[in-house]
Amino acid sequence: DIQMTQSPSTLSASIGDRVTITCRASQSITSWLAWYQQKPGKAPNLLISKASSLESGVPSRFSGSGSGTEFTLTISSLQPDDSATYYCQQYNTYWTFGQGTKVEIK
Amino acid sequence: QPQLQESGPGLVKPSETLSLTCSVSGGSISSSSYYWGWIRQPPGKGLEWIGNIYYSGSAYYNSSLKSRATISVDTSKNQFSLKLSSVTAADAAVYYCARLSRSSTVTQRGAFDIWGQGTKVTVSS
Repeated sequence: DIQMTQSPSTLSASIGDRVTITCRASQSITSWLAWYQQKPGKAPNLLISKASSLESGVPSRFSGSGSGTEFTLTISSLQPDDSATYYCQQYNTYWTFGQGTKVEIK
Repeated sequence: QPQLQESGPGLVKPSETLSLTCSVSGGSISSSSYYWGWIRQPPGKGLEWIGNIYYSGSAYYNSSLKSRATISVDTSKNQFSLKLSSVTAADAAVYYCARLSRSSTVTQRGAFDIWGQGTKVTVSS
């Protein structure tokens, strides 16, 4: 099974900061990676698919990069509405989620 | 924009079978562009993929569930369902159904682009 490891588990940043979350796969998944945002009590929302393809309606401050085993989600200028937990998910071989990264606003 | 809605008992006894249904509205479950999946989230924890199904009935499952999960589809009702047998307290979670948008028609690879609101299942006698 492919394992997904996110870092950090929690991060605290100020409004306007550039924020980066890393996701590592236990083996190559080429670009078959998605990022989701989840707010408390809500279902996850797909932000990015195929590592770097921004979903329709997602603000352009979100971007994804990487291939193989290392991937990043970047928020270029953190906004209050971005306070949430973010999950990566591989879909190269079945489907596996990372453990999540909680983003807090200072 | 299609919508998905989970339904089923919110309380299941240990050792019994959990049964949930996902109703799809605003779109056909029989589209070749999509698979349909179940994902769960235990309280305070992360997301776990359970399995996916195609409208033809072809299904994929998370091996960690050790064959306890069965997903079926009813195209006449535009619904798909999950059964999880021999439940324990570890199966208590919010269960989500979701649409998987295929990257192409020659692969089942894809991300979950539309989700239901989730339904909470408690396991207790």
